[in-house]
Amino acid sequence: EVQLVQSGAEVKKPGESLKISCKGSGYSFTSYWIGWVRQMPGKGLEWMGIIYPGDSDTRYSPSFQGQVTISADRSISTAYLQWSSLKASDTAMYYCARRAGSTDYYFENWGQGTLVTVSS
Amino acid sequence: QTVVTQEPSFSVSPGGTVTLTCGLSSGSVSTSYYPSWYQQTPGQAPRTLIYSTNTRSSGVPDRFSGSILGNKAALTITGAQADDESDYYCVLYMGRGIWVFGGGTKLTVL
Repeated sequence: EVQLVQSGAEVKKPGESLKISCKGSGYSFTSYWIGWVRQMPGKGLEWMGIIYPGDSDTRYSPSFQGQVTISADRSISTAYLQWSSLKASDTAMYYCARRAGSTDYYFENWGQGTLVTVSS
Repeated sequence: QTVVTQEPSFSVSPGGTVTLTCGLSSGSVSTSYYPSWYQQTPGQAPRTLIYSTNTRSSGVPDRFSGSILGNKAALTITGAQADDESDYYCVLYMGRGIWVFGGGTKLTVL
């Protein structure tokens, strides 16, 4: 069974750094793209970017380019989303999602979400 | 910047049929955008419903169907049930490894 398990909720102050994780299991982690999706409180889903753990090829939405960094550690089947300096506006739920396949253009499996709260 | 458009809200009577649409601020949606649809209930992660325009994801009831209607992608729910009351999001593939979500449609069943 494919599973994506995300790290727990975080409470941070503006200006702090943060790295949240998404651990894949039940499939070949290096063979499937993993994407990240933001959902601000009471708002819709926003596609942030995606990484192919096999070679770390990474793509970003123009809206998030330069604002976050997506990475992956193949040795522990884990993808990451990180911020170097958080802002209050980064407060949101973040989901990771596995793309179905390299010739498929949708997200088949979803993590449970990580709530990030940024407040002074 | 490409904007994917969805109706902000829609309502349907139990047992009724509703069609939600997914368009582009500029241009037409075609199968080349590989439209997919996701259902989200409050406090839950999204659930994949439809991909590649009209293929139902595993376990999705056949009352959900996808299509292209005119210049938009469409999600039709036939015989709506109370537990279909959710937010529905479409996603379009823009090429070069980039996807864009629509703003979502809040569906009320009453």
